[in-house]
Amino acid sequence: DAGITQSPRHKVTETGTPVTLRCHQTENHRYMYWYRQDPGHGLRLIHYSYGVKDTDKGEVSDGYSVSRSKTEDFLLTLESATSSQTSVYFCAISDWAREGYTFGSGTRLTVV
Amino acid sequence: ELKVEQNPLFLSMQEGKNYTIYCNYSTTSDRLYWYRQDPGKSLESLFVLLSNGAVKQEGRLMASLDTKARLSTLHITAAVHDLSATYFCAVDATSGTYKYIFGTGTRLKVLA
Repeated sequence: DAGITQSPRHKVTETGTPVTLRCHQTENHRYMYWYRQDPGHGLRLIHYSYGVKDTDKGEVSDGYSVSRSKTEDFLLTLESATSSQTSVYFCAISDWAREGYTFGSGTRLTVV
Repeated sequence: ELKVEQNPLFLSMQEGKNYTIYCNYSTTSDRLYWYRQDPGKSLESLFVLLSNGAVKQEGRLMASLDTKARLSTLHITAAVHDLSATYFCAVDATSGTYKYIFGTGTRLKVLA
């Protein structure tokens, strides 16, 4: 979607390697989120940020870390990828003045 | 812990028919959102419901919110094939943080 981009779009990685996914926004929104989507589970919140260097855990944060050093970038790192982290990862942004999320296009990650 | 349940999970319906998707949630919240996802695509915002009794309509879709019953409905009128998609509801878990908990989704297939 315009204003929010995720990279890479697809990635295949080996078990045990670190992986970083990037979310970049041009909307200057305060809130940013990382979700994963798996069949039968809907979307589950991994981590979120409510400002530069302000982050907090979601419901499935184990094995993931995040960083937000600039308003526009929110990075998700899988410290040591496992096959259970094979998923589609979505970044979302939100502005308190405009309800609802805007989602990025998603990153399909496969851990082999 | 907030839980969001949708039913049905799968829905196959004929064109021209009416049907309702239900979204139940377990704790108090007055903010509920509906999203649509086409296969392999990102999520698109459909409706933002911010108060008890809120009703929003767009084309053949109408969403409502009953915060006392902790229930939202997405009603489909005279379904057409283009409405085939997966529909998610999401509830704001904690006022002020804009963390959304998503339902597992309802996969709708409209048959010609």
